[in-house]
Amino acid sequence: AQSVTQPDIHITVSEGASLELRCNYSYGATPYLFWYVQSPGQGLQLLLKYFSGDTLVQGIKGFEAEFKRSQSSFNLRKPSVHWSDAAEYFCAVVYNNNDMRFGAGTRLTVKP
Amino acid sequence: SAVISQKPSRDICQRGTSLTIQCQVDSQVTMMFWYRQQPGQSLTLIATANQGSEATYESGFVIDKFPISRPNLTFSTLTVSNMSPEDSSIYLCSAQDRYNYGYTFGSGTRLTVV
Repeated sequence: AQSVTQPDIHITVSEGASLELRCNYSYGATPYLFWYVQSPGQGLQLLLKYFSGDTLVQGIKGFEAEFKRSQSSFNLRKPSVHWSDAAEYFCAVVYNNNDMRFGAGTRLTVKP
Repeated sequence: SAVISQKPSRDICQRGTSLTIQCQVDSQVTMMFWYRQQPGQSLTLIATANQGSEATYESGFVIDKFPISRPNLTFSTLTVSNMSPEDSSIYLCSAQDRYNYGYTFGSGTRLTVV
């Protein structure tokens, strides 16, 4: 079955530290890949997306993600986390049938 | 990117009743999707709604419980029927932008069933 996995349910980092959130997909073909952020009580905000081309994708708010075909991964990174980055982060994939599937999400806590 | 207006933004409903959620897109879109986000959970796809055809439901979701309409390329509704407290969730619609393959989400409907 087509799926996307976020292995980390909850991550805590100190403000100013670097961040990496993991995302793995399972399917033979390369899907379209997305990262969304959801703050408490808020809607989904698209951080970045990958369709093809350069495997390092830059997004909003200083986030970037790297597509690694050999590892079926699309990990999200940020060099220096801010307290306002505390939120729920969702990795999502779109396969040939065009519907978007979400990972379970990773909750980010930022320590002062 | 397309912009979606979703309403109501929240509602509190009595069990046994039904609620219809509407999504209006500001441009024509081919595919629309409905998701459920239960408290503290991720988004689960309920169904895909294409104009001119019946909605396609995911495993665990049935038309009698979640009837969907898609009368044209800019509008869709999801009805949550015969509600129970277990239906308390956030329901979101999404549209695929046919031009840049972007996906836009509505702001969600927070449903509480009492």
